[in-house]
Amino acid sequence: DTGVSQDPRHKITKRGQNVTFRCDPISEHNRLYWYRQTLGQGPEFLTYFQNEAQLEKSRLLSDRFSAERPKGSFSTLEIQRTEQGDSAMYLCASSLAESGRNTPLHFGNGTRLTVT
Amino acid sequence: DQQVKQNSPSLSVQEGRISILNCDYTNSMFDYFLWYKKYPAEGPTFLISISSIKDKNEDGRFTVFLNKSAKHLSLHIVPSQPGDSAVYFCAASAIGFGFNKFYFGSGTKLNVKP
Repeated sequence: DTGVSQDPRHKITKRGQNVTFRCDPISEHNRLYWYRQTLGQGPEFLTYFQNEAQLEKSRLLSDRFSAERPKGSFSTLEIQRTEQGDSAMYLCASSLAESGRNTPLHFGNGTRLTVT
Repeated sequence: DQQVKQNSPSLSVQEGRISILNCDYTNSMFDYFLWYKKYPAEGPTFLISISSIKDKNEDGRFTVFLNKSAKHLSLHIVPSQPGDSAVYFCAASAIGFGFNKFYFGSGTKLNVKP
């Protein structure tokens, strides 16, 4: 299966700790996205990479959050000094850029973060 | 400000009947729409898409209808099967955004009863 892979699936951490999540996109996809989903809501956009360049960040992404995509392959999302409000499902998605048209996002199974 | 809305949090349908899931949007720039299905503890799975140059797109048991004047789209599942029980999200984007930035609705939980 060459779908989007996320690790870990679950993370429980204490408030104030740092956490890091990893995403491996579909290999031929050059766009990578991070979304966050809370209970009863749809996914909300956090940030987007085209190859290794981070081209847009949502206002939801406070300065405690940082995302990287070195070499344009896998990506990491780090949350520093976690707060209970950070508890959510963090979803990674990838897509193939095509000139002049949009294409579907393909999501991983997410990392569920619980901050105690 | 939610630009994509799914006003029905849940829907219950008998197996074999039609399921109709609805979605409304407010941004007239949106020109590309997707439906996703999500099972518990899994990520959303892409189902079907439609661009604004069409008003209907079919894929097997799934058909999406787009009414641009009403800013409304719907997903029809015929016939419904118990395995279709999941949360369904609609999502919208615009080529004018420059990249695939999608706005999602809050989802409708479909229960198909055997």
